[in-house]
Amino acid sequence: EDQVTQSPEALRLQEGESSSLNCSYTVSGLRGLFWYRQDPGKGPEFLFTLYSAGEEKEKERLKATLTKKESFLHITAPKPEDSATYLCAVSPGNYGQNFVFGPGTRLSVLP
Amino acid sequence: DGGITQSPKYLFRKEGQNVTLSCEQNLNHDAMYWYRQDPGQGLRLIYYSQIVNDFQKGDIAEGYSVSREKKESFPLTVTSAQKNPTAFYLCASRARGGGIGQPQHFGDGTRLSIL
Repeated sequence: EDQVTQSPEALRLQEGESSSLNCSYTVSGLRGLFWYRQDPGKGPEFLFTLYSAGEEKEKERLKATLTKKESFLHITAPKPEDSATYLCAVSPGNYGQNFVFGPGTRLSVLP
Repeated sequence: DGGITQSPKYLFRKEGQNVTLSCEQNLNHDAMYWYRQDPGQGLRLIYYSQIVNDFQKGDIAEGYSVSREKKESFPLTVTSAQKNPTAFYLCASRARGGGIGQPQHFGDGTRLSIL
């Protein structure tokens, strides 16, 4: 069964304190791995797509990396406005267009 | 601006009542999805549609129904058969062309509660 887990469940950082979020997946044929940001009461906002092991994508203070079994979202010198829930999703090869989502990591960045 | 509009933002259901959640997109996307989000759980797929007049059940379709009469619209009805409807409902769409890396794009959700 295709599965996505994320850790930690929640993370509190001081402003400027860098850290990483983890997304581990078990899928039959990865078509793509997606990172989203979700603010309270809002829909997820797309951040990155990663396709193959070794790939990296960057956007401002965020960098996503991918291995054969997991992805990391690195947050460098975070600011309070980076506080949100970060969701990871995979598109398995045998599901066509359907995604499998992880439960998310709730990030709080304190000033 | 292109995007996905969900309405209403908040909805209350009485016992035995059916309620319909609206989802409209102007992104010209073929595929549309409905998800349910509960605290501490990942998004769970209710129904999806890859083309007008066609849709398939997702993982938790019981107690829900959909229609896809227009490309832009994919309404979700929460029927009285859904005994635990309180949740945050998210609609998404995705372009079918452009390769396998196309992300799903989301609306801002409808929060459904029981009266």
